[in-house]
Amino acid sequence: GAVVSQHPSWVICKSGTSVKIECRSLDFQATTMFWYRQFPKQSLMLMATSNEGSKATYEQGVEKDKFLINHASLTLSTLTVTSAHPEDSSFYICSARFQNTEAFFGQGTRLTVV
Amino acid sequence: QKEVEQDPGPLSVPEGAIVSLNCTYSNSAFQYFMWYRQYSRKGPELLMYTYSSGNKEDGRFTAQVDKSSKYISLFIRDSQPSDSATYLCAMSSGNTPLVFGKGTRLSVIA
Repeated sequence: GAVVSQHPSWVICKSGTSVKIECRSLDFQATTMFWYRQFPKQSLMLMATSNEGSKATYEQGVEKDKFLINHASLTLSTLTVTSAHPEDSSFYICSARFQNTEAFFGQGTRLTVV
Repeated sequence: QKEVEQDPGPLSVPEGAIVSLNCTYSNSAFQYFMWYRQYSRKGPELLMYTYSSGNKEDGRFTAQVDKSSKYISLFIRDSQPSDSATYLCAMSSGNTPLVFGKGTRLSVIA
C-alpha cells in the first residue's frame, strides 16, 4: 500500500510550548489529509479535514486556534499544537487520501505535555 | 442510531480459527468500505478496500459488502497470534471523511 510518514513518533514538551507534527505522503498526491486524536482503547476521533491549498475544516469542539493545520502541498500537512497543556497529551494520527480512494495512515505521534 | 456499529469485543479465538468481524451501517450513501488493523500505539494499517457491493480476497483475508443489508464483514482464515489487534471498519460516501466503527479487539491464542 501507499506510504504515509508521520514525524515525530513521540514527543515530550513543556506546558505552554508549541509542538509541530508533520505528515507526508511519500508515493502519492494527497488531495485530502485528515487529523485524528485517539485516547487509550478508544476509536479515532476526527479533528479536522484539510484539502491542499484550502483552510482546514474543523470538527465541532476542536479549537482551530489551538490546533493549527497547514496543507501547503499535495504531499505535506502539519498540525501544530499551540500552547500545549497536559490535557492535550494524546496520540495524534494523520491520514492521507487521493480523491475518493482509500485512506492511508501515518504511524501516529504520541504527545506528552509535562 | 449511530452511523456505523461495530461490536467492540473483545473476541478471543484459538490459533488457526476462522475469525468473522462485521459492521452494520445506516447511511445508504456509503459506497467505499475499508478494514484497518491497528496494533497498540501504532497508526491503522489498511487491510482491505472495497467499492460498492461484493467480495474481495487477499491472502488470508476476505472482505464482503452487502449494501442491501447495510452489512460488511471481514473474515480471517488460519488466524495467527500476530493477527491479535484491533480491527476497524470504515466507510465513506465519496470525498468525505471516513466514518469509523469503534473497533473490535481480537486476541488469537497460541
